[in-house]
Amino acid sequence: DAKTTQPPSMDCAEGRAANLPCNHSTISGNEYVYWYRQIHSQGPQYIIHGLKNNETNEMASLIITEDRKSSTLILPHATLRDTAVYYCIVSPLNTGGFKTIFGAGTRLFVKA
Amino acid sequence: DTEVTQTPKHLVMGMTNKKSLKCEQHMGHRAMYWYKQKAKKPPELMFVYSYEKLSINESVPSRFSPECPNSSLLNLHLHALQPEDSALYLCASSPRGNGELFFGEGSRLTVL
Repeated sequence: DAKTTQPPSMDCAEGRAANLPCNHSTISGNEYVYWYRQIHSQGPQYIIHGLKNNETNEMASLIITEDRKSSTLILPHATLRDTAVYYCIVSPLNTGGFKTIFGAGTRLFVKA
Repeated sequence: DTEVTQTPKHLVMGMTNKKSLKCEQHMGHRAMYWYKQKAKKPPELMFVYSYEKLSINESVPSRFSPECPNSSLLNLHLHALQPEDSALYLCASSPRGNGELFFGEGSRLTVL
């Protein structure tokens, strides 16, 4: 079973920041938070991952709460091309657990 | 080469046919995965191979038969499928068998 819960859908205006929340209240100490997105009919694309510190790359920022029970993916300036389903996943980094399970995800609509 | 390549992109087959889906990666990743995705649903894990050995079978019906001939190649053999097996079949690879997955674009299967 997926270990994360996300809102089913969200809207965002083009050019504004999109903040996508994820709840992972049962996360273990060795589990990282990963974010993926899937644009219609394409394979999921890795965005970012983190353990407990905030992370930023060219695509997005990841904010993880101090208790690690939730996180937020931030797309700083959303564009129409960011319309996609966003998946939050928890998984061990180094132990090769293999069983990477996707939850229902959040369908983000970026509107002009 | 940072791609996972899946062929064919589209496949239509009858219920009595035998066909195969193919997945290839040349990134030296230790783990390879098959996921099945129905419309508007998240990817659903089917099989995981680690170092060319089957490590996870998520109770998939025997009409789906995976094969990993070498570290770069993963096949999914299909036989006597049902119309409800029509879906997008996604292949992924992972360098460490954790949440860091690289997906192909998928093979869209239609069973008539």
